[in-house]
Amino acid sequence: EIVMTQSPATLSVSPGERVTLSCRASESVNFNLAWFQQKPGQPPRLLIYGAFSRATGIPARFSGSGSGTEFTLTISSLQSEDFAVYFCQHYNNWPPYTFGQGTKLEIK
Amino acid sequence: QVQLVESGGGVVQPGRSLRLSCAASGFSFSAYGVHWVRQAPGKGLEWVALISYDGSNKHYADSVKGRFTISRDNSKNTLYLQMNSLRPEDTAVYYCAKDKSRFCSGGGCYGGEDYWGQGTLVTVSS
Repeated sequence: EIVMTQSPATLSVSPGERVTLSCRASESVNFNLAWFQQKPGQPPRLLIYGAFSRATGIPARFSGSGSGTEFTLTISSLQSEDFAVYFCQHYNNWPPYTFGQGTKLEIK
Repeated sequence: QVQLVESGGGVVQPGRSLRLSCAASGFSFSAYGVHWVRQAPGKGLEWVALISYDGSNKHYADSVKGRFTISRDNSKNTLYLQMNSLRPEDTAVYYCAKDKSRFCSGGGCYGGEDYWGQGTLVTVSS
C-alpha cells in the first residue's frame, strides 16, 4: 500500500497570501495524483487531477505541480472561501487509492 | 448534472449487517467505475472499495476485505455496499463517488473520484 504524507497538518495564513501545500508518496505514483478540498459538513470537492489539471469550475488561483513522489498544491491568493481541509490522493495502477491525512488551512 | 444520493445509513450493533445504496443520475452510470470512501467523525478520508463500470472487477481496502461487498445494478443506476460483521471502527460517513474514467476495468486506467454524494452516516454501537 502506498502511503501518502501531507505537510503541514495545519497552516495559519491570512487572506491574500500565497500558500503551498505538500504531499509525498512512499513510492512513485507518476502523475496519478488528485487534490480535494473539504469544508465542514460537505463532501470533498475535486480541485486537481493528473497532478496539475484543474477540475471543472475550479478557479485559476489553484494550481498543482509535481510528479513521481513529490507534489504541491498552490493557492496564489487566498480567498475567504478557501479556508478548508485539503487532501491529496493517488490513483496509480491498482487500488487501494490512499489519501493523505489532510492539511487544514485556518485564518491567522 | 451529476447527482449521487446515498441512503441506508443508521445505527447498528457490532456484528450486525447494513446495506448502503447510492442512486446515480445525470450521467451514463453504466460507463463508469464507482467508489465508496468513508470518513470517521473528525478524521480524514479512507478509500473503501471500487467497482468497475461493468461490475467485473472489485477492489477493497484491507480494513474491510472479507466483510464488505460492493455491487451495482446498471439497470437501476444504483451502487451498493453490503457491510457485514460491522465493528465500532466502521463508524463513519460513507460517500459514493464516480470515477473520472470511462469503461475502465483494470489497473492503470482509473482516473480517481470526480463527483461525490453527500454521504450517509453509519454508526456502529451497542
